[in-house]
Amino acid sequence: QKEVEQNSGPLSVPEGAIASLNCTYSDRGSQSFFWYRQYSGKSPELIMFIYSNGDKEDGRFTAQLNKASQYVSLLIRDSQPSDSATYLCAVNTGGGNKLTFGTGTQLKVEL
Amino acid sequence: GAVVSQHPSWVICKSGTSVKIECRSLDFQATTMFWYRQFPKQSLMLMATSNEGSKATYEQGVEKDKFLINHASLTLSTLTVTSAHPEDSSFYICSASYRLAGLYEQYFGPGTRLTVT
Repeated sequence: QKEVEQNSGPLSVPEGAIASLNCTYSDRGSQSFFWYRQYSGKSPELIMFIYSNGDKEDGRFTAQLNKASQYVSLLIRDSQPSDSATYLCAVNTGGGNKLTFGTGTQLKVEL
Repeated sequence: GAVVSQHPSWVICKSGTSVKIECRSLDFQATTMFWYRQFPKQSLMLMATSNEGSKATYEQGVEKDKFLINHASLTLSTLTVTSAHPEDSSFYICSASYRLAGLYEQYFGPGTRLTVT
């Protein structure tokens, strides 16, 4: 079992819709969780992080964490074509500063 | 967010030569810097973890004698690809980590695209 799992996609949503990206992790001791966005040919960009159960909102983005289910998600409201990218879920395990990345979900927002 | 720079952004070199890539944290002191490699349409692969003033920790399968990492200060880490070969052509990305309110945040540089001919 991979440590951090994501559906590779592509996930296609129409413009203006809500995109829902999901991630599961295997280490129950994981403490903090990150979502990065990576455009083709570019390096990852930190969108947001979450470390407490529940929801965390930042603009059009909402991260949701459920430690009991070992599940973290990212919702993107009012999706725009510029949101089309690969979204990487990353988990901090072991209490240090090393992140374990999922393989990413490709999101396509269609006009 | 914090800013991390990399230099050069792209480089073309001949097989057998060495290439040095610099990674700098511009507005914060990084406790740790990480070096990743990414091949086209593949996920990030962590190569090594670098702490200032100590030897880098390499991931399994990464040749430490080929990928030399120096972390001389809290704002600068360098990766040298020695005796580069075409199979080393890839997108090399560094990241820098710092601790804020008990949590480590990690920010990526823009990456260096290496082509070995």
